[in-house]
Amino acid sequence: NAGVTQTPKFRVLKTGQSMTLLCAQDMNHEYMYWYRQDPGMGLRLIHYSVGEGTTAKGEVPDGYNVSRLKKQNFLLGLESAAPSQTSVYFCATGRDSNQPQHFGDGTRLSIL
Amino acid sequence: EDQVTQSPEALRLQEGESSSLNCSYTVSGLRGLFWYRQDPGKGPEFLFTLYSAGEEKEKERLKATLTKKESFLHITAPKPEDSATYLCAVQAAGDYKLSFGAGTTVTVRA
Repeated sequence: NAGVTQTPKFRVLKTGQSMTLLCAQDMNHEYMYWYRQDPGMGLRLIHYSVGEGTTAKGEVPDGYNVSRLKKQNFLLGLESAAPSQTSVYFCATGRDSNQPQHFGDGTRLSIL
Repeated sequence: EDQVTQSPEALRLQEGESSSLNCSYTVSGLRGLFWYRQDPGKGPEFLFTLYSAGEEKEKERLKATLTKKESFLHITAPKPEDSATYLCAVQAAGDYKLSFGAGTTVTVRA
């Protein structure tokens, strides 16, 4: 999806390891979101940001931290990875809260 | 709490066989209902936004409709390239987040 780039695309971690997922956007959108997608479940919001320097908790924030130091980047951190965090992580952006969200192609994360 | 239920979970169609997907929702004041298409290994791609009961939107072979309790995505004369998972999401008034359903996976056979 043009405009929202997620890195890495795949990653395997061991329990207890830490890592950071990066979301970069070139659409100059204010709002950015991190979701996780698990089989048989809808996308669930982890954290979101309504502008540079702001972050807020979503539906399932435990075990994750985020930072939005620059408008174009939204980072998702796992301090001590757990097998329950095995999932596909999607970043999304929006021009404002009323506009459709635009998604990246996801990061597939496996935690052993 | 906002809830979104999509049915059926999976739908197998013959090329040209029209059908409908259902999205039932409960939300405290609807700001908008969104339909997305998701291909394997990809992120959701925006299709439509519906804001009020009675509203309809069309794009090629897809038509989305909205009532006070549910939305339908009608696929007319589908082609194999319409095969995908279709996601429905709602946004409550005054809220930033979207609440997603689990999706309907559509497979269209030639």
